Amino acid sequence: AAGVIQSPRHLIKEKRETATLKCYPIPRHDTVYWYQQGPGQDPQFLISFYEKMQSDKGSIPDRFSAQQFSDYHSELNMSSLELGDSALYFCASSPLGLEQYFGPGTRLTVT
Amino acid sequence: AQTVTQSQPEMSVQEAETVTLSCTYDTSESDYYLFWYKQPPSRQMILVIRQEAYKQQNATENRFSVNFQKAAKSFSLKISDSQLGDAAMYFCAYRSAPTQGGSEKLVFGKGTKLTVNP
Repeated sequence: AAGVIQSPRHLIKEKRETATLKCYPIPRHDTVYWYQQGPGQDPQFLISFYEKMQSDKGSIPDRFSAQQFSDYHSELNMSSLELGDSALYFCASSPLGLEQYFGPGTRLTVT
Repeated sequence: AQTVTQSQPEMSVQEAETVTLSCTYDTSESDYYLFWYKQPPSRQMILVIRQEAYKQQNATENRFSVNFQKAAKSFSLKISDSQLGDAAMYFCAYRSAPTQGGSEKLVFGKGTKLTVNP
């Protein structure tokens, strides 16, 4: 069965640089969620999209932005990176109202 | 706001034995979903089991079952016949039902690290 695809799997950036994370949801899943998991932490919700519109927003810094495109893939753009942004970033997708399936995550390291 | 509490940071179990992981939650909503996710060393988040709050029957998935006590706001996970591959971090998670009109984000507990001893 098709799964959520995230790219890149690993990313190393320097402070103040910009990063773009991509997510390709499971076919026919119309909702995408982004989560951030710091070292030793539980995943924290960042933002979600339903049918290409932002549906909810969590504790996402103003330096971060995201969007969902016409083909339902989503991108998380992160600017002015800080050391504290180093984390595992998950994308999850679901048909509206049903369980969320997670991608393998993108491990971002900011040096 | 909803909160999820996992009071056991770490648990261990002997292979082939049974272990129960605890989870409590706080909500004022009447309709919601509860989940257990497994995160092995690969860091992949894997859905183990889900429970709809309106269902009185406890969910089961092979060796995994839950004890859902709605009045007590308790949602424990029982793993029977534990296997080495069950070793992982287990997260309990809450999500509002679509009928509540609120966010469908997952709210996670802090996790329980399960070790399986051969």
